Amino acid sequence: DTGVSQDPRHKITKRGQNVTFRCDPISEHNRLYWYRQTLGQGPEFLTYFQNEAQLEKSRLLSDRFSAERPKGSFSTLEIQRTEQGDSAMYLCASSFPLGQGTEAFFGQGTRLTVV
Amino acid sequence: SQQGEEDPQALSIQEGENATMNCSYKTSINNLQWYRQNSGRGLVHLILIRSNEREKHSGRLRVTLDTSKKSSSLLITASRAADTASYFCAPEETRGSRLTFGEGTQLTVNP
Repeated sequence: DTGVSQDPRHKITKRGQNVTFRCDPISEHNRLYWYRQTLGQGPEFLTYFQNEAQLEKSRLLSDRFSAERPKGSFSTLEIQRTEQGDSAMYLCASSFPLGQGTEAFFGQGTRLTVV
Repeated sequence: SQQGEEDPQALSIQEGENATMNCSYKTSINNLQWYRQNSGRGLVHLILIRSNEREKHSGRLRVTLDTSKKSSSLLITASRAADTASYFCAPEETRGSRLTFGEGTQLTVNP
């Protein structure tokens, strides 16, 4: 297991289309996070899972966004009816539960462009 | 969860100089982490300092933590052009559930 992997690396889609991104975390990690990042800004928290349970979801996440983590392994983030404002880098990270003094490992991200 | 606020927003130095970045936060923490991000890439963990530590070193990195002032600093010594990146701090609250990030410090090291 070489780290967190995300697929695809780049996605260009037309406004109104649905897109789905995948994240494969480090296998021993039970925490998985999704962040969104726009140019010049820091990563913005979207949601996180502990095993298969989605424990927190940002108020910034509209109803068009949904994330799943079946069986507590990989995760998918779906955006329905994409808008131009959804254009961003979507980052996935995994870790052991916080409070154990461990770091989060990030994937390389999926860059979404909505045209 | 709270986020750290990095200062300055941007820093430009010459190769060989030292770079200092600061982070402030608001509540009690278990630890504070620093991350680096090259343009268009994911974040990479640099160093973690626990709340009961005051200073920590890793290679050319030195991190300090002052819990009474709720602040931390990251010093990169003898900077190199390859250190050009954005640097983020992430304070982990004592009751935290996930890491949050500020806008970061954009460091440019000129050859």
